[in-house]
Amino acid sequence: DTGVSQDPRHKITKRGQNVTFRCDPISEHNRLYWYRQTLGQGPEFLTYFQNEAQLEKSRLLSDRFSAERPKGSFSTLEIQRTEQGDSAMYLCAVSSRARENTEAFFGQGTRLTVV
Amino acid sequence: AQTVTQSQPEMSVQEAETVTLSCTYDTSESDYYLFWYKQPPSRQMILVIRQEAYKQQNATENRFSVNFQKAAKSFSLKISDSQLGDAAMYFCAYRNLGAGGTSYGKLTFGQGTILTVHP
Repeated sequence: DTGVSQDPRHKITKRGQNVTFRCDPISEHNRLYWYRQTLGQGPEFLTYFQNEAQLEKSRLLSDRFSAERPKGSFSTLEIQRTEQGDSAMYLCAVSSRARENTEAFFGQGTRLTVV
Repeated sequence: AQTVTQSQPEMSVQEAETVTLSCTYDTSESDYYLFWYKQPPSRQMILVIRQEAYKQQNATENRFSVNFQKAAKSFSLKISDSQLGDAAMYFCAYRNLGAGGTSYGKLTFGQGTILTVHP
């Protein structure tokens, strides 16, 4: 257990529907990252929060994607009007300022399937 | 932009033997961190080992060690005395070491290497 909980673990949705994922770090980490991992590939960076501020967004994050981190604790990632190309594993990772040069702790991910 | 390349999609090793996973990267930075992460099937990604670019000494963690060649931009992982529990997808990852900035802490991953351990 890395101390990062993601919910749901699996989500199947119909194309065009909206979905929301949640990431809950168990302990305080001021830095939070979302990554997307397609089958057989390495994770790709989506967005980064420092506390509640979203400081960076990848060009992979189209305008159908939105992420929030109210109060600098948990985070949500919403995908509107889902497309089949959105099918992937969505990973949340956290790190703390005190350990910012070392490891990031990953959640188990949310596997999204768009049918 | 930084890139990380793992040229071995799959590797296999006999239990108790040694295996080396390869990784190359490209960056114009002089200070950075390199990592190897392990991702077992349906489980969380966990850190195996890290290397600071300014350190010449190769990092070692128990049965895991790296061969860091900064000039060649190469960062291989050696697993000694392989165990069945080592079977997983292994990712090489790069992180900038910037003085603040928006890229600070973001990881760039390679494509991964699937390691199979035969009993």
